[in-house]
Amino acid sequence: DTGVSQDPRHKITKRGQNVTFRCDPISEHNRLYWYRQTLGQGPEFLTYFQNEAQLEKSRLLSDRFSAERPKGSFSTLEIQRTEQGDSAMYLCASSQDRTEAFFGQGTRLTVV
Amino acid sequence: AQKVTQAQTEISVVEKEDVTLDCVYETRDTTYYLFWYKQPPSGELVFLIRRNSFDEQNEISGRYSWNFQKSTSSFNFTITASQVVDSAVYFCALSELNAGNMLTFGGGTRLMVKP
Repeated sequence: DTGVSQDPRHKITKRGQNVTFRCDPISEHNRLYWYRQTLGQGPEFLTYFQNEAQLEKSRLLSDRFSAERPKGSFSTLEIQRTEQGDSAMYLCASSQDRTEAFFGQGTRLTVV
Repeated sequence: AQKVTQAQTEISVVEKEDVTLDCVYETRDTTYYLFWYKQPPSGELVFLIRRNSFDEQNEISGRYSWNFQKSTSSFNFTITASQVVDSAVYFCALSELNAGNMLTFGGGTRLMVKP
């Protein structure tokens, strides 16, 4: 396990469809984060888990977004009824407690 | 509320030049952490450094150095003798102790190093 992995790397979907992304954190890390990055901007925090508990959610996370981390291992981020404004890079990161977070390569979502 | 500003959106230098990337932050917390990440074209954010608010010592790592000044709320990053492989977008970020481990990022600085 050399780092955070995300799947898929790219996703093109039609507006109105549901999509799900997966993140596998570094195995010993107990914290997992989701960020969203649009073109030319810095990443914006979406939500974070400590083990299986979702402890914080951003206002950016509308009710069409849901994230889970069953058993405190991998995490999924689902977007229902996608909109063109959801097009972005979705980044996952993990850390052990309050140490530095390590990021995956992201999933680039394009909604057409 | 926490905020990070990277006023330089794009910098272009010629290889071997030194370059400094500026970062200014705002926070009400007395305990916080500052970070720099590098984002090459592949998209993955690569961790470079973390400093806590009680440690104002400057740090040097090879060609990289960081200058943290609480008096001006700045955490600047200098690359000495830049190389083409340094070309990337660099992000400064802030995490407050009382805000979980959430990172607030600046808008990034795109660095282009030309041969």
